[in-house]
Amino acid sequence: EAQVTQNPRYLITVTGKKLTVTCSQNMNHEYMSWYRQDPGLGLRQIYYSMNVEVTDKGDVPEGYKVSRKEKRNFPLILESPSPNQTSLYFCASSLGQGVAGELFFGEGSRLTVL
Amino acid sequence: AQSVTQPDIHITVSEGASLELRCNYSYGATPYLFWYVQSPGQGLQLLLKYFSGDTLVQGIKGFEAEFKRSQSSFNLRKPSVHWSDAAEYFCAVGPPSGGSYIPTFGRGTSLIVHP
Repeated sequence: EAQVTQNPRYLITVTGKKLTVTCSQNMNHEYMSWYRQDPGLGLRQIYYSMNVEVTDKGDVPEGYKVSRKEKRNFPLILESPSPNQTSLYFCASSLGQGVAGELFFGEGSRLTVL
Repeated sequence: AQSVTQPDIHITVSEGASLELRCNYSYGATPYLFWYVQSPGQGLQLLLKYFSGDTLVQGIKGFEAEFKRSQSSFNLRKPSVHWSDAAEYFCAVGPPSGGSYIPTFGRGTSLIVHP
C-alpha cells in the first residue's frame, strides 16, 4: 500500500530536549516536505527536499533541521524544542520537480513542548 | 508570489443541503489547483485537481470544482452534503510547469454539518 509513515504520532517533550520526527514513503517519490498546522494559520511549509541531498527552507524553517540521505526518508529534527513549536506536523511526498502532482500526506505527528 | 485565499473560516450546513467552499488564488499564469480534505485526526487527502482542459473537475466523494479564470477562483461544490463530509478543506495552488514544485495552501475552511 502506498503510504507516508510518520513517527511518533504523539509526543510530549520538554524545552531543549532534542527530538526527531521520522518520515518514510514507499512510493519512490523525489519530492518530500514538512508542514506544520496551527489553528487559524493553515499549513505552513517548514522544509522541503527535491531529491537526495537536496533540501531547502520553506516559510517557517527557524528551529528545525532536516536531512535527505535516502530517497525514502526525510526526518525532521528539533535540536532544542521550544513551546512555540507545539504543533501538528505533517510530512508529504510527491512525484517530483517539474511534475505538479498529488501530494501524499502522513497522518500527522502531534507535538507538545512543555 | 503565488497566494491562496479561502475567505470562509467556518461554514455550517444542514445535512442534505448543497455546499460551496470558496477559493481565490493569485498567480501570474494559470496554476495547477487542488482541493484537499482533512478528516478529524487524519492527514490530508486529495479531493480533486485541475491542470488544464475542462474547467469543471470531478473528484472523489461526489465533489466537484469549477475553475474560473476571470475570477481567479476554484470553488468546491457538492449538491448534497452528508454528515461524514464534516472536515477541514484546503485549497492549494502550484506553479504550472518547470522549476520546482512548491504548492501554497490556503488557511482552510472548517465544514460543520448539522443533522
